[in-house]
Amino acid sequence: AQSVSQHNHHVILSEAASLELGCNYSYGGTVNLFWYVQYPGQHLQLLLKYFSGDPLVKGIKGFEAEFIKSKFSFNLRKPSVQWSDTAEYFCAVNGGAGSSASKIIFGSGTRLSIRP
Amino acid sequence: DGGITQSPKYLFRKEGQNVTLSCEQNLNHDAMYWYRQDPGQGLRLIYYSQIVNDFQKGDIAEGYSVSREKKESFPLTVTSAQKNPTAFYLCASSYRGETQYFGPGTRLLVL
Repeated sequence: AQSVSQHNHHVILSEAASLELGCNYSYGGTVNLFWYVQYPGQHLQLLLKYFSGDPLVKGIKGFEAEFIKSKFSFNLRKPSVQWSDTAEYFCAVNGGAGSSASKIIFGSGTRLSIRP
Repeated sequence: DGGITQSPKYLFRKEGQNVTLSCEQNLNHDAMYWYRQDPGQGLRLIYYSQIVNDFQKGDIAEGYSVSREKKESFPLTVTSAQKNPTAFYLCASSYRGETQYFGPGTRLLVL
């Protein structure tokens, strides 16, 4: 069964610090990978996604993630965080093709707190 | 406006009562989903549906039921068999497993 692990439950950083949030997945076949963000009081929204091609993907607000197939990882990075990045971040995965593509599984989330 | 609506925003359930959470989308998406969000546990998949009149159990389907009679609608019933229903419930839709769009959520509380 597919699963997603986010090992950092709560990360606290100062503004301008660099960010890396870990995401590892377990799935035997082709995968699609996502990072979603939930700002306080707002809907979950997509940050970025990887389906195929360049394993380094860029998303909104300066975020990027790198798919490393050999490590089953899809870590989220940002070189310099801002106070407005305070939010909860979720990694998600689905089987990349056919009926498996519709079953999307999420990790437990990482709460990011930025000190001004 | 295109999007997903969920109602009600807050719902109270009494012991032994079944309650139904509404989810409607006008994005013409094939797939719809129900997740439960608890602190520290992320989003756990309850049920999902890829097409009308078909749905599959997710990881925590026990105590819940769904129907998909229309493409736009995917209501979730929390039955009396669900012993710990207090949670935040999120509905989402997507086109064939691509980017999901989420509704605003329903918070279910037990009286």
